[in-house]
Amino acid sequence: ILNVEQSPQSLHVQEGDSTNFTCSFPSSNFYALHWYRWETAKSPEALFVMTLNGDEKKKGRISATLNTKEGYSYLYIKGSQPEDSATYLCAFINFNKFYFGSGTKLNVKP
Amino acid sequence: EAQVTQNPRYLITVTGKKLTVTCSQNMNHEYMSWYRQDPGLGLRQIYYSMNVEVTDKGDVPEGYKVSRKEKRNFPLILESPSPNQTSLYFCASSLTLGTGAVEQYFGPGTRLTVT
Repeated sequence: ILNVEQSPQSLHVQEGDSTNFTCSFPSSNFYALHWYRWETAKSPEALFVMTLNGDEKKKGRISATLNTKEGYSYLYIKGSQPEDSATYLCAFINFNKFYFGSGTKLNVKP
Repeated sequence: EAQVTQNPRYLITVTGKKLTVTCSQNMNHEYMSWYRQDPGLGLRQIYYSMNVEVTDKGDVPEGYKVSRKEKRNFPLILESPSPNQTSLYFCASSLTLGTGAVEQYFGPGTRLTVT
């Protein structure tokens, strides 16, 4: 079983704060890394699919970076809004299998 | 509308009574997968399928079976459910994993309670 770790487990920020969290994964046999956003009572939805070392992806105020050599990815949210409140999951893909971290739960207070 | 559907959404059953959770996608996706989500553990992959008649074990396959007779359907079978299979189950699909990494689309989830 491969270990994918996310930190912090939870985060409470004020509206307008910028924040970031980390996903750590094995640095060998890398195929891809996914980020998902999971709102309460809904299903996870894909944010980013990252495949190359040095990849940087951006969608609105959310961006992500990838370092496959050292085995980490960062997710950044600029100017957090209450609607950003959700659990953010990363998944490491290795030999056709998905290995998810336990997520970072973000709460943005108005 | 492109979607992944699961049925039932909620199920309470008793130990040992065989059950099937259905999953269907209308996007012609090759890759399909089942996950269970338990508090503090994140999503764990149970089984996955690369295409019709091609299935393989994920991290936690014990106590589960799957089949992939048609491209659109990927049912999860619990032959003899036990209380430790009480969980939230998600089905997901993606176009393929073979020609490049692409995102997964998740179904709405099935909350299963085994008493």
